[in-house]
Parts: sequence; C-alpha cells; structure tokens
Amino acid sequence: AQSVSQHNHHVILSEAASLELGCNYSYGGTVNLFWYVQYPGQHLQLLLKYFSGDPLVKGIKGFEAEFIKSKFSFNLRKPSVQWSDTAEYFCAVKSQGGKLIFGQGTELSVKP
Amino acid sequence: EAGVAQSPRYKIIEKRQSVAFWCNPISGHATLYWYQQILGQGPKLLIQFQNNGVVDDSQLPKDRFSAERLKGVDSTLKIQPAKLEDSAVYLCASSPQGIYGYTFGSGTRLTVV
Repeated sequence: AQSVSQHNHHVILSEAASLELGCNYSYGGTVNLFWYVQYPGQHLQLLLKYFSGDPLVKGIKGFEAEFIKSKFSFNLRKPSVQWSDTAEYFCAVKSQGGKLIFGQGTELSVKP
Repeated sequence: EAGVAQSPRYKIIEKRQSVAFWCNPISGHATLYWYQQILGQGPKLLIQFQNNGVVDDSQLPKDRFSAERLKGVDSTLKIQPAKLEDSAVYLCASSPQGIYGYTFGSGTRLTVV
C-alpha cells in the first residue's frame, strides 16, 4: 500500500533561516506528489505539485520541492522563512484511484 | 469561482448522539471526497464519490458512518452513534473528473464529549 512519511513532527526556526522538510513515499510506479499548507484556522491549500518533468518544482510563496526518484523523496525547501510561514505542512501522494494519501504533517513555528 | 462549502464549522455533541455534515462542492466537479483529520495526523480518506456513485469507501466505518451524494452534487456525511474517537475535523474536497484540481473546504470541527 502507498504511504507517506514526514520526518519531522515539529520544526522551530528563526526568521530568515532556511527550511527543509523531509518527505518520503512508498510507491514504485508513477507518482503524483503534493505539498499542502494549513495555516491556523484555515483550510488546506496547495503549495506545489509534481506530476512529471523537471524534478525541481517551484510553488507559491517562495517554496520549492525536489523529487528524487532514487530516494523516494520529495523534500520541501524555502531559503528564508518568515513569521507568516508558521503553519502545518503536509506531504501527499495521489493514488491511481485519485485519493490523496497524506503524511502525518510537520508543524512549523517561525520565531520573529 | 466559489470554493467548497461546508457546514457547520463547529459541532459539539455527546457520545452516542448522531451528527450530520454537509458539503457543497465546486460546480461541475464530478468527484467528491470526505476526509477525516484527527489532531496531530494527516487527513485520511473516508469516502470518494464519482458523480453520485461510491468509488472508494474502504476506510469508512460503516457500522456508524454513512454518506450520500444525491443527484451528484451536494453530499452529507453522518455519524450515528458518535464515539469519543470521532473527534476530528471532517474535510470535504472536490475535483473535476479526470483532471487534478483538488479543492478543500474549510472543514467541520467535531468534538465528541
């Protein structure tokens, strides 16, 4: 069965620090990968997605992610975080049937 | 375009009571999903509809949960009777058929006491 694992449960950074959140998935076939963000009290929003092509994907708000097939990884990065990036981040893989399988989430706290 | 609408936003009930949630997807979206998000976990699919037919309900606790999507538009999710472990946010999402375009609603936060 497909699964998604996020390495960090809670990350605390100072503003301007660089961010990398780990995500590994288990699925040997063609994958569609996503990162979602959930700001406090708000609904899930799509940050970026990978379907095919360039493994370095750029999303909204300065986020990017790199798909490394050999490592089954899709890590999220941002060179310089802001206080407004405080949120919970979810990695997800889309199954052939269309449903999204989510990781357990990483809570990011950015100190001003 | 209007987003996915869900109601109510919050609900507090006692265990063994029943509760229902409503979802109105984006107009024209053929696929509708209900996810359960327990605090500290990622969302987990409960049921997926394609128009008004069920595609996947393998993780729906059918002894207490039920869902329907009449006329292939709005959907309701019901829990009867509720248990303490049902406390979670229930998310509805929709997407066009054959195309990735997932949009999530704001969710209904259920607390069972």
